[in-house]
Amino acid sequence: QSVLTQPPSVSGAPGQRVTISCTGSSSNIGAGYDVHWYQQLPGTAPKLLIYGNSNRPSGVPDRFSGSKSGTSASLAITGLQAEDEADYYCQSYDSSLNVVFGGGTKLTVL
Amino acid sequence: EVQLLESGGGLVQPGGSLRLSCAASGFTFSSYAMSWVRQAPGKGLEWVSAISGSGGSTYYADSVKGRFTISRDNSKNTLYLQMNSLRAEDTAVYYCAKDLNGAVVTATWVTDIWGQGTMVTVSS
Repeated sequence: QSVLTQPPSVSGAPGQRVTISCTGSSSNIGAGYDVHWYQQLPGTAPKLLIYGNSNRPSGVPDRFSGSKSGTSASLAITGLQAEDEADYYCQSYDSSLNVVFGGGTKLTVL
Repeated sequence: EVQLLESGGGLVQPGGSLRLSCAASGFTFSSYAMSWVRQAPGKGLEWVSAISGSGGSTYYADSVKGRFTISRDNSKNTLYLQMNSLRAEDTAVYYCAKDLNGAVVTATWVTDIWGQGTMVTVSS
């Protein structure tokens, strides 16, 4: 069981908007620690997608956005494309466990 | 180009040892904290260990504390992970990763560059 809870899978048709949730607790997200998101394409290393809750590294399309509220965070992807099909992981810090990841969400583009 | 290249993975028997290396290039290595993150086959990401830019501060997940040792040689731009008393549950792809923010490991830990990973299999 991961400290941060993500849905195992989400799906959407090309052009649609999907969101991936990341639910934590008062010892991690709720304590004010930042949430970051990584994208892992099949067979490759993870890639930083969103850092500091809502910031995009250079080169990440603005179709990707992040938000945080209370003990949860969300990743939104608009204008879904076939190449967005991947696993997505949220990550934060837990005051008792150190760095923690969500269990991952597999995005399927229909 | 910023690049990380892991090596040293392989097949090892339970109770055995292995040392992973991660060669860095394209950035001032000593100016950034570094980490190891692993991924068991078909599973999610698990943070393993982190080290400050100077090497003076180290951090470990409970699952590896006392068995793994992270270190770095800034003169060689190389990060290491010494793994002892290996168990079947340590079987995973091990990634090294560069901290986004700088040399100090903080609660805002986030990594912007990852290597391609090296596979470690613990089995008899």
